[in-house]
Amino acid sequence: GQNIDQPTEMTATEGAIVQINCTYQTSGFNGLFWYQQHAGEAPTFLSYNVLDGLEEKGRFSSFLSRSKGYSYLLLKELQMKDSASYLCAHRAGTALIFGKGTTLSVSS
Amino acid sequence: EPEVTQTPSHQVTQMGQEVILRCVPISNHLYFYWYRQILGQKVEFLVSFYNNEISEKSEIFDDQFSVERPDGSNFTLKIRSTKLEDSAMYFCASSGLSWNEQFFGPGTRLTVL
Repeated sequence: GQNIDQPTEMTATEGAIVQINCTYQTSGFNGLFWYQQHAGEAPTFLSYNVLDGLEEKGRFSSFLSRSKGYSYLLLKELQMKDSASYLCAHRAGTALIFGKGTTLSVSS
Repeated sequence: EPEVTQTPSHQVTQMGQEVILRCVPISNHLYFYWYRQILGQKVEFLVSFYNNEISEKSEIFDDQFSVERPDGSNFTLKIRSTKLEDSAMYFCASSGLSWNEQFFGPGTRLTVL
């Protein structure tokens, strides 16, 4: 089967660092994705990992361990505009299979 | 920056009616997708489309659904006889030769009464 687990909600303060974890189960791994979704808007692509390790892109980094079925998204220097849902997804064929998302609230 | 566009932004329809949701993918993209998101729930894959035919479809994409690329720019999703449970945000997405980044449109909110 295919399953993705991530925390439902997280809170953090401006300027802080937050790590959003994701565990997944899939019969065939084709990459792990992170998307950001503001309320009422479309998901926007943040990162993609297919090999183990850390991918850094500005304030956002994503880590993957294929043997553990585990990924995390690291957000540094948090800003108020980072308040959104963060969606972990893996690719099955051409489809993206999404988790339920983690709603991050950033306060001042 | 090129983007996926969708029309209408909001569609209200009566149960049993047919609806057509429209999308214009990014112009040089080759793969097109439809996803839906019921309010408060996760984004769910419906169908992918390549070279004028369906590549994959999910269990949600039953006989009531169809997709079409009627010309060189539009990509449509038709629901033949809408049900209350079809109420959701429908997102179109497209990607190039690499499936690694799917660009999503702003969505059409479908409300079935």
